[in-house]
Amino acid sequence: QSALTQPASVSGSPGQSITISCTGTSSDVGTYDLVSWYQQHPGKAPKLMICDVNKRPSGVPDRFSGSKSGNTASLTISGLQGEDEADYYCCSYAGRYSWVFGGGTKVTVL
Amino acid sequence: EVQLLESGGGLVQPGGSLRLSCAASGFTFSSYAMGWVRQAPGKGLEWVSSITGSGGGTYYADSVRGRFTISRDNSKNTLYLQMNSLRVEDTAVYYCAKGKGAGVIDWFDPWGQGTLVTVFS
Repeated sequence: QSALTQPASVSGSPGQSITISCTGTSSDVGTYDLVSWYQQHPGKAPKLMICDVNKRPSGVPDRFSGSKSGNTASLTISGLQGEDEADYYCCSYAGRYSWVFGGGTKVTVL
Repeated sequence: EVQLLESGGGLVQPGGSLRLSCAASGFTFSSYAMGWVRQAPGKGLEWVSSITGSGGGTYYADSVRGRFTISRDNSKNTLYLQMNSLRVEDTAVYYCAKGKGAGVIDWFDPWGQGTLVTVFS
């Protein structure tokens, strides 16, 4: 399976909103509502931020939201904070019990 | 609190073997599918393998199928990844992660701290 396509980097000032896109195909993102997003700080394990396209696990701030349209999923961070500076990865079910991740997006808080 | 602790990483030459372990606690281990995800140095995440709660279903990425074997011992609350015929491109931090339910992953949460596998020639 080919990796999902994410922008290499996105930046914003504190308080602003940013959106990270995640483009797949009709074989993964476009067919299944099983898109999840992970936050990874340097040297740390990934942390689940969004599951099932737009659901927030307990403890995740409500400034994080997810959506999907066609073959593209998106993660929006509203009211950007310094602690949000990290790498973000999308992930989608790709059928036949397989999973595919995006290449990752580095979020910088200016 | 759910905890996952990987071990077994290390240095190995191409063609060699390693077995990774992931000790789980804080949940009913047999009721959840589990997975392995790896991250090469400075690179992104790559799904490697998944297994159902009973161990009856095992699934692999094309890049490791035929070389890696995932298994679990529900009596010991431990997940394994047997890695054979290792290649330089298998060098990565290997994370184990818990799935949503017994038969499905749906998402990976939480993740262990990872164990580093280095394949050097």
